[in-house]
Amino acid sequence: GENVEQHPSTLSVQEGDSAVIKCTYSDSASNYFPWYKQELGKGPQLIIDIRSNVGEKKDQRIAVTLNKTAKHFSLHITETQPEDSAVYFCAATPNSGYSTLTFGKGTMLLVSP
Amino acid sequence: DAGVTQSPTHLIKTRGQQVTLRCSPKSGHDTVSWYQQALGQGPQFIFQYYEEEERQRGNFPDRFSGHQFPNYSSELNVNALLLGDSALYLCASSLPERTQYFGPGTRLLVL
Repeated sequence: GENVEQHPSTLSVQEGDSAVIKCTYSDSASNYFPWYKQELGKGPQLIIDIRSNVGEKKDQRIAVTLNKTAKHFSLHITETQPEDSAVYFCAATPNSGYSTLTFGKGTMLLVSP
Repeated sequence: DAGVTQSPTHLIKTRGQQVTLRCSPKSGHDTVSWYQQALGQGPQFIFQYYEEEERQRGNFPDRFSGHQFPNYSSELNVNALLLGDSALYLCASSLPERTQYFGPGTRLLVL
């Protein structure tokens, strides 16, 4: 089955800096890669996603890049703000027709004012 | 438009007991997936329901079972609870092969 590795496990940045979180996946059939943000006591919230026919996608301060050959994808957050502090999860889903998600172990991002 | 809702928010059980968790999907969604999230870990897929049938199942024992009702809401049942079943149980709803949206979860503590 699919295996998703996520790094780093924790990331501390100063407000205004950029943050990058990286994930690798094992199943070359995977074709959909969402990123979720989870705040304390809440469920994961989708922040951006990318499909395998696209190499990069951007939404305001957030961008995701995908390298299918290397089987890795990354989340980039620019101009970080304290409210960006949360746990971020990457996930992958194979082209199995059922869209089940395999998650990484998460990255705790702390943005200091 | 209400998002995904789950009940109860918290639950405490003892080993050997049984528990039922409930999920109402986002309006318009007909597919419900359940995930278990242990402390400090990413969510792990339990199973997915569509048209009242279990479509796919993750690596969880038969103690974990579910049901989907005609109104697309769903239940997760866990029998013979173990200490290791303590976790946040998340429900996600979607249209088939589309983005999954998560509820707030039910925090289960097994003593």
